[in-house]
Amino acid sequence: SQWGEENLQALSIQEGEDVTMNCSYKTYTTVVHWYRQDSGRGPALIILIRSNEREKRSGRLRATLDTSSQSSSLSITAAQCEDTAVYFCATESITGNTGKLIFGLGTTLQVQP
Amino acid sequence: GPKVLQIPSHQIIDMGQMVTLNCDPVSNHLYFYWYKQILGQQMEFLVNFYNGKVMEKSKLFKDQFSVERPDGSYFTLKIQPTALEDSAVYFCASSLAHISYEQYFGPGTRLTVL
Repeated sequence: SQWGEENLQALSIQEGEDVTMNCSYKTYTTVVHWYRQDSGRGPALIILIRSNEREKRSGRLRATLDTSSQSSSLSITAAQCEDTAVYFCATESITGNTGKLIFGLGTTLQVQP
Repeated sequence: GPKVLQIPSHQIIDMGQMVTLNCDPVSNHLYFYWYKQILGQQMEFLVNFYNGKVMEKSKLFKDQFSVERPDGSYFTLKIQPTALEDSAVYFCASSLAHISYEQYFGPGTRLTVL
């Protein structure tokens, strides 16, 4: 598997709290995609972070990428109920350069009111 | 934002039958993908497609699988014949370019093979 350490996790937090989700990967990548998936829907991209960016922000979201440790994280500040979803990290396989995405198992985040 | 549509949303068929899953990608996108997700497991890449040809396929893309996009219409995934282990949700995605670009996903087709 691409993702050596990550297992499917379920996190439950209170509204207003901060949360960080982590991913590690085994093979080299130049970009990490973070997707969220709501129940019954397909994944939707929330942040794409490239190897020349150690950190990237989008609103209350912050992604980091450490290519030396082959890990990435996604943080949500002041979580809201609408942040409840499954969050996936995905890397792009550089073999063949075809855009193939390799997904992690995902983290199920439940934000309680 | 741009949307990818998938038809049907659910399909139940008997083992051995043929099934075609349809995807209507974002109109100006050039790269198309199929992924498979079994409940509780990670999303797995099946195949990608560009300029009328398969670019890359995974081990999950068995000989019974085929893809095409005739005349710029639906991007289809055909399974013939189906097997029990083909039961899963199949997601179609499309992108404008293939490296470091967002892939837009459809809502998925839930396939149940009996």
